[in-house]
Amino acid sequence: RKEVEQDPGPFNVPEGATVAFNCTYSNSASQSFFWYRQDCRKEPKLLMSVYSSGNEDGRFTAQLNRASQYISLLIRDSKLSDSATYLCVVNPYQAGTALIFGKGTTLSVSS
Amino acid sequence: NAGVTQTPKFRVLKTGQSMTLLCAQDMNHEYMYWYRQDPGMGLRLIHYSVGEGTTAKGEVPDGYNVSRLKKQNFLLGLESAAPSQTSVYFCASTHGQGPGGAFFGQGTRLTVV
Repeated sequence: RKEVEQDPGPFNVPEGATVAFNCTYSNSASQSFFWYRQDCRKEPKLLMSVYSSGNEDGRFTAQLNRASQYISLLIRDSKLSDSATYLCVVNPYQAGTALIFGKGTTLSVSS
Repeated sequence: NAGVTQTPKFRVLKTGQSMTLLCAQDMNHEYMYWYRQDPGMGLRLIHYSVGEGTTAKGEVPDGYNVSRLKKQNFLLGLESAAPSQTSVYFCASTHGQGPGGAFFGQGTRLTVV
């Protein structure tokens, strides 16, 4: 099992749609989780951290399910500008180890 | 704030040439990383460092060397470039094992012909 797995998509949705991405991770000891956004040919940028209680930032909601070892990102009322690749990231929280990135899920929002 | 700065942003090399990519961060981060990204492959970790004077291999270290002589700088070297090293290279840094995420440089687009 890969350390962090995501459905690569692409997800093609119309403006205004609600779309959800899931990500699974293999290391049950992992402590912190993030969603990053990457636009074409640009560097990844932190979208939001993911907390156990779930957290919301405007139209974006992130959830963590430790028992099932998955993370989700929900985007409501999709905008054209949401078109990007969304990367799931896990911090193993073990000394000397690196952040682990999923391969990303591509979202395309059309008018 | 400069954040994470990579130089150069673009480079074309001939097979067999060498070069060094420089990553500099001004956030006093302990951990620094070098990734390469190829179409359909996602980010792949080349090497990383957990502190000044330390380096460790990532997923795809062959053909690359790194050095972290100063906390704020992380250098990636290609001793003898190959066409397979044509890629976009990203540097990133984090505080370390704390809860914060990573900050990325803008990337270096390298073509080896």
